[in-house]
This record gives sequence, structure tokens and C-alpha cells, in this order.
Amino acid sequence: GPKVLQIPSHQIIDMGQMVTLNCDPVSNHLYFYWYKQILGQQMEFLVNFYNGKVMEKSKLFKDQFSVERPDGSYFTLKIQPTALEDSAVYFCASSLETDQDTQYFGPGTRLLVL
Amino acid sequence: SQWGEENLQALSIQEGEDVTMNCSYKTYTTVVHWYRQDSGRGPALIILIRSNEREKRSGRLRATLDTSSQSSSLSITAAQCEDTAVYFCATDGASGSWQLIFGSGTQLTVMP
Repeated sequence: GPKVLQIPSHQIIDMGQMVTLNCDPVSNHLYFYWYKQILGQQMEFLVNFYNGKVMEKSKLFKDQFSVERPDGSYFTLKIQPTALEDSAVYFCASSLETDQDTQYFGPGTRLLVL
Repeated sequence: SQWGEENLQALSIQEGEDVTMNCSYKTYTTVVHWYRQDSGRGPALIILIRSNEREKRSGRLRATLDTSSQSSSLSITAAQCEDTAVYFCATDGASGSWQLIFGSGTQLTVMP
């Protein structure tokens, strides 16, 4: 089936540093999402993105977070500066359309902030 | 069953048994998605049931949806070891929302 790729698979950084998580969505998809999952807990929505804009974000999407997809390249999540509580697995997803359409998830980036 | 602030639940069964996992949701939704997540991987959609459907089947999977009680179930018939995974239900949330709202998940272990 359609595949979403995420780079890197793991990232360890010191608190206060900047990190960029990269997502390569399914090629013809138009809607992009980031979710956060802390070990053993449920996945939580962060943000979705369409046509170059953030369409919806949750309270977890702090001011230190930003997303972009310059010129159809990677869809990125940037955290600057990072905090200890940002340690989690971040999943990217994409869908062709919204409104009940299937979201395809990547394998996740495991972020550890020390 | 799974939802809200509950911790990840665990079920352990023998190969060949049937199993049902339940999910209740808090807000109106037009569709319930069931995902499975294998260790170290992202969630993958396995079955989707819409509000105008009471039951949906796909191979050994059967999903039900009761909009009046805001609950859904996922059954697996004759479970196999490869069915071992975490199973999540997810809803669309409020009308016009773009996000998926996931339940806390059920860790299913199928033993040989």
C-alpha cells in the first residue's frame, strides 16, 4: 500500500537544541498531519497542514513547534527550543483528501530530549 | 474497552480463539477507524465503519458500530500469532475537525 517515510528513525538531542523531523508523504496526497505518542499512551493529534497552511492544531502544538513543506519536498516538524517533555514518538500521516479519508502513517521518529 | 485517560489495556489469548475489543467515544463521529500498530511501526488502518453501517467485515475482522451508545467493537475470528499488535479505535472528532482522536489502545497477544 501507500507508504509514508520518516527521517530520522531516532534522534537524541540536548534540551534547548533545535530538531527537525522529516516526513516524505504519499506522493499524490494533499493533507499532512503530525501526531505525538508517549510510550504506553494514546496517540495525540498535533497539527494538520494543507495547501501550505496549518488548518488545525491542538493544545499540544506549542509555540516552539512549526511545520512547513517547502516546494513539495519533505513535510517537516521543527521544535525550537526542545524541552524534556518533547520526548516521544512523532508520527507523520498523509491523506488524499480529508473528511473520513484514510490517513496513512509513517513508522515514526523516536525523539529523546536529554 | 478503551478511551480517554485509560492506560493501554492488555489481552492475551491462544491461537485459534476469537477475541473482541471494545471502544467507546465521547463526541459524535461519522466514522470509526480501527488501526493496528505493530511494535516499532506506525498505525495501519485495518477496517473503517461509517455511521450508516452497523457492521462491517473484512476477512477475519468484524467491526460493529452503535451510534446511540457511541461504541464500536472489533472482533477477530480464529486469531493467529501474527495478529499480535496494539489495536486502536479512532474517530473524527467534532464536525469539521481534521484530526483523528485515538483511544488508548488494546495490546493483543496471541500465543501459539
